[in-house]
Formats: sequence, structure tokens, C-alpha cells
Amino acid sequence: GNSVTQMEGPVTLSEEAFLTINCTYTATGYPSLFWYVQYPGEGLQLLLKATKADDKGSNKGFEATYRKETTSFHLEKGSVQVSDSAVYFCALRDGAAGNKLTFGGGTRVLVKP
Amino acid sequence: SQTIHQWPATLVQPVGSPLSLECTVEGTSNPNLYWYRQAAGRGLQLLFYSVGIGQISSEVPQNLSASRPQDRQFILSSKKLLLSDSGFYLCAWSVLAGSTDTQYFGPGTRLTVL
Repeated sequence: GNSVTQMEGPVTLSEEAFLTINCTYTATGYPSLFWYVQYPGEGLQLLLKATKADDKGSNKGFEATYRKETTSFHLEKGSVQVSDSAVYFCALRDGAAGNKLTFGGGTRVLVKP
Repeated sequence: SQTIHQWPATLVQPVGSPLSLECTVEGTSNPNLYWYRQAAGRGLQLLFYSVGIGQISSEVPQNLSASRPQDRQFILSSKKLLLSDSGFYLCAWSVLAGSTDTQYFGPGTRLTVL
């Protein structure tokens, strides 16, 4: 079956530090990949997505590249801010599995001033 | 533009009481609708999804049920809540457009069962 594995948190960083959150996946078909962000007390917001191999999704300074050869979709940001403190979820959508989303366990990021 | 609403925002219920959470979507037609649960400190678990009125698929057997009485309304229910039903319940919608089927989430309902 499909699965998504994320690095466990919490990840604690200082402001302006470089952030990487690893995400790898297992899927039977050719999935679309997503990163969602959940700010404290809120629902999930779509951060970025990529629908095919070698695509790069980007938004708000975050980037992730769809790497089929390593089945990965790592999230990066060059200079984090306190406002980036949140839980980040990697997810895949496999059209062969009814278009349902499979989520990773989430990675909590805490950015300190 | 499309918006998704959930209510109530928070709910505290005793064990054994019934539950009804509502989700409505505006600005789109015939969306796919989803209910997820996020237990404390854990990831998201898909509970139900619906591709149309009256069409419900259950992902996890449990004491919860879902219904879709109208195109843009999705209801999560229980006849008798358990302590383990506590969590953050998220509704989501999507519309398949080409090869992309992006899910958009509501603000969530935080349920505490005592």
C-alpha cells in the first residue's frame, strides 16, 4: 500500500537558519506530492505541490522537488522566520488508489528569535 | 472563490453521548468531500470520503458514521462517543481538474470526550 515517512520532530531552529524536512514515499502508481502546513490551533493549508517527476513546487520561500529516483519530496527553506513555526505534513495522492491522500506523521518546527 | 466551513469549532462531550459535526462547502459543485481525524500529537487519518450525494466510503471501521444529504454538506456522526474519539476533526474538499486533485481543508473541530 501507499505510505509517507517524515522525519520526526520537533525541529528547533534559530531565525534565519536553513530548514530541511525529509519526506520519502512508497506508492503503487505515479503519485502527486504535497506539503501542507498547520499553524497552531488551525486546520491544514496547502503549502506547495508537484504532480510529476522533477517538478519543483514552491511557495512562501519553501521549495520541494519531486525525486522519483529516490522517492523523496524534501521540503527546504533558506531562511526561516518565527512565523514559520508550525507542523508540516507531507502527503501523496495516488490516482490508482481513488485519489485519496496519504499523510506522513507530521513534523513540528519551532523557530526561535 | 471556494470556502469551507466547519462547526462547531470546539466541543466537549461526555462518553456515551451522540455527536454531529457539520461541514459545508461554498463556491463549487459536486466536490469530493473528506473527513479526517488528527489525534493528539499524531498525523491525519482518513475516516470517510464521498464522491457524491448519498455515496460514502469508510476507511476505518469504528463507531462513527458519515452522511451527505446535500451536494455540499458532509456530516460526521456518532450514536455513542468513546474516550478514544477525542481529537481534531478536519473536513476537506477537492475537485478533480485535469490530473490534479488538490484537497483543501476546513478550520477543524476540536472534540474532547470526557
